[in-house]
Amino acid sequence: DAMVIQNPRYQVTQFGKPVTLSCSQTLNHNVMYWYQQKSSQAPKLLFHYYDKDFNNEADTPDNFQSRRPNTSFCFLDIRSPGLGDAAMYLCATSSGTAFYEQYFGPGTRLTVT
Amino acid sequence: GENVEQHPSTLSVQEGDSAVIKCTYSDSASNYFPWYKQELGKGPQLIIDIRSNVGEKKDQRIAVTLNKTAKHFSLHITETQPEDSAVYFCAAEDTDKLIFGTGTRLQVFP
Repeated sequence: DAMVIQNPRYQVTQFGKPVTLSCSQTLNHNVMYWYQQKSSQAPKLLFHYYDKDFNNEADTPDNFQSRRPNTSFCFLDIRSPGLGDAAMYLCATSSGTAFYEQYFGPGTRLTVT
Repeated sequence: GENVEQHPSTLSVQEGDSAVIKCTYSDSASNYFPWYKQELGKGPQLIIDIRSNVGEKKDQRIAVTLNKTAKHFSLHITETQPEDSAVYFCAAEDTDKLIFGTGTRLQVFP
């Protein structure tokens, strides 16, 4: 089945220790999104890629970076995680012709100790 | 930019009853309105969506209505079941992204 896969599902990191979260997709979609979701809140868009074009949200901290080496994979790098970065991180994809029909992965729960 | 408000924040119903969640949006240029269901510990799942050229769309027990003049849309779930218990998010498109509502926690009691 075509799908969005996120690894790992649970990640524990130490305060200030860089961490990378991974997303892959078999949908062959042009667009990949990264969201941050804190408890009982709506997903908050961090950035997205349309093919290799990177689009950063204005309020996304510099501490968050992303890489998309090919169509299938996208990575979220948190350079120096703080306690406030503990959250669920969601990856989503959409086709280039239907931006808004977004399909989400299961998420990675990040804990910062 | 687009702003989406969602009500209620929590909703409790008896199994078999109907549930209605309402959203309003601010940008009249928005044309696409999806609804997502998010179960505990999982990613949001697209359950139904509607485009601005349609006033209502149904899929088995769920339906969505859209009033473009009033800029609001609603999710209707009939004959609710315990497995409908989850957080539901509405959203509206804004250029190349979605703007989400704040979510409704639906609890269906047996």
